[in-house]
Amino acid sequence: AQSVTQLDSHVSVSEGTPVLLRCNYSSSYSPSLFWYVQHPNKGLQLLLKYTSAATLVKGINGFEAEFKKSETSFHLTKPSAHMSDAAEYFCVVSDRDDKIIFGKGTRLHILP
Amino acid sequence: EAQVTQNPRYLITVTGKKLTVTCSQNMNHEYMSWYRQDPGLGLRQIYYSMNVEVTDKGDVPEGYKVSRKEKRNFPLILESPSPNQTSLYFCASSLSGNSNEQYFGPGTRLTVT
Repeated sequence: AQSVTQLDSHVSVSEGTPVLLRCNYSSSYSPSLFWYVQHPNKGLQLLLKYTSAATLVKGINGFEAEFKKSETSFHLTKPSAHMSDAAEYFCVVSDRDDKIIFGKGTRLHILP
Repeated sequence: EAQVTQNPRYLITVTGKKLTVTCSQNMNHEYMSWYRQDPGLGLRQIYYSMNVEVTDKGDVPEGYKVSRKEKRNFPLILESPSPNQTSLYFCASSLSGNSNEQYFGPGTRLTVT
């Protein structure tokens, strides 16, 4: 069965510095992988997705993620954090059994 | 406007009183899903549906029922709610299967006393 682990429940960075949110997955097959963002008291929005095309995936708002099969990782990065990036981020895996598994989330704090 | 709608948005009820949360999408999506979100646990899939009359259990189906009689609607039914079902519930839909982007409803905050 597939699973997903977000390695940090909270990450704090200063505005203008790089962001790294870590995600490891477990899957028996080639999964589809996603990152979603949830701003406070808002719904969820897709940031980016990987579905076996290019391993470096670019998303909205300057975010990108790299699929590394050997490390079973799909870390989310952004070169320069902005105050508006403060939110909760979810790494998501979908597999051949049609289920969808969310990680427990990483709350990103941006320090002025 | 393409959207997923849920009703009600907020609901306070008592233990054992049956309730239904409705979900509707206007994008002709095949795949629909219900999740509950609890602090520190992320979102957990309750049930999903690949198409009309096809439903299957997610990771936390106990205490819930669903039906998919029409493509656009996917109601969540709690036959006998209990306090441990107090949560924030999201409905979502995607074009087909689970490898496509999901579109989420605004959420329903349920409190069971």
